[in-house]
Amino acid sequence: NAGVTQTPKFQVLKTGQSMTLQCAQDMNHNSMYWYRQDPGMGLRLIYYSASEGTTDKGEVPNGYNVSRLNKREFSLRLESAAPSQTSVYFCASTGGGGQPQHFGDGTRLSIL
Amino acid sequence: GENVEQHPSTLSVQEGDSAVIKCTYSDSASNYFPWYKQELGKGPQLIIDIRSNVGEKKDQRIAVTLNKTAKHFSLHITETQPEDSAVYFCAARAYSGGGADGLTFGKGTHLIIQP
Repeated sequence: NAGVTQTPKFQVLKTGQSMTLQCAQDMNHNSMYWYRQDPGMGLRLIYYSASEGTTDKGEVPNGYNVSRLNKREFSLRLESAAPSQTSVYFCASTGGGGQPQHFGDGTRLSIL
Repeated sequence: GENVEQHPSTLSVQEGDSAVIKCTYSDSASNYFPWYKQELGKGPQLIIDIRSNVGEKKDQRIAVTLNKTAKHFSLHITETQPEDSAVYFCAARAYSGGGADGLTFGKGTHLIIQP
């Protein structure tokens, strides 16, 4: 049971390039989330998807788009990467109804 | 929106001693409070959680207490061991029965266990 799988694990981009971060869960969870983690800032919610076919903005959505491809997969896209988007990105999922969120091991993204 | 404050940012304790990390939250509607442990290069891992209808919860060496009136909750680790060294995050959210908005996290506490 892999849980939440994120790809890639590391990526370096140049300013202005585009990139899609992939996330898949095998726990049959309804809800999925994207967070970013910056030094001294904790984790901040970018976007979430309560169920297949729905997405909503979180605390820091500017510069990002998401797609809930199916129940298993939730992708995060940077259309024109900026140095301020250098961060570690975490995907999480939950079965909902107050159940805990389970996290992947992150994608470390550097934008030069 | 919710705001979660976490203290201290760094905590160093001797192996075998106890460690306490404290968090406060702002939204009185919050009713779910998880604690996550994050090791270097890994994602956060849930270690314990508590809901607002409970004042204390224990799991072996780990306990969490919640004071709804004061809007604060704390993580207690007893008999600390070297493997407890990590960054710990508290979080809060309000579950309303519908929707699935995310957690609001504190900024983390780097716990260092001195041998």
